[in-house]
Amino acid sequence: AQKVTQAQTEISVVEKEDVTLDCVYETRDTTYYLFWYKQPPSGELVFLIRRNSFDEQNEISGRYSWNFQKSTSSFNFTITASQVVDSAVYFCALSEAYGNKLVFGAGTILRVKS
Amino acid sequence: DAGVIQSPRHEVTEMGQEVTLRCKPISGHDYLFWYRQTMMRGLELLIYFNNNVPIDDSGMPEDRFSAKMPNASFSTLKIQPSEPRDSAVYFCASSPGAHEQYFGPGTRLTVT
Repeated sequence: AQKVTQAQTEISVVEKEDVTLDCVYETRDTTYYLFWYKQPPSGELVFLIRRNSFDEQNEISGRYSWNFQKSTSSFNFTITASQVVDSAVYFCALSEAYGNKLVFGAGTILRVKS
Repeated sequence: DAGVIQSPRHEVTEMGQEVTLRCKPISGHDYLFWYRQTMMRGLELLIYFNNNVPIDDSGMPEDRFSAKMPNASFSTLKIQPSEPRDSAVYFCASSPGAHEQYFGPGTRLTVT
């Protein structure tokens, strides 16, 4: 069965600090996809990134970066120079190659204080 | 382009009443998903459709829940009869088949 673990329930940082959100996954599939979603206080779920299991290159998008390591089954998310607007719940998710079912982690609440 | 549209945004109803949630997916997306989010259980997939056909409804909690997709631009999730434990935020999402799913704003359901 597929499983996603986000061990950090809540993280608080001060603005401009860097913060890393951890995600560990379990799957028996050799082909799978990993995702991060952001849920701001307004409640909607915003897609941030998708990674497939064959692409272990790290990705950077502005202040966001993602570190995918198959050896440790981890897909961690780093926000550099955090801002108050980054305050949200962040979800890591996993899907099998076929069928498009997403399995979500429990989420990490990020609070960025000014 | 319009995103996924859900209505109503908020619904308050009494136990035993029928509730119908509506969703319009992004045009051209072949997949449609219904999720439920609660504090206790997090985000759970209830059911999903591909080309209007239900593919997996294993997440539907019980027979009180039903979902339909009569055409490519409309889906409903119905709860009959509703119970207080059904109180949650219900999300609809659509996908072009490339795996990333785009979520609607959600419907906050309160059953008293």
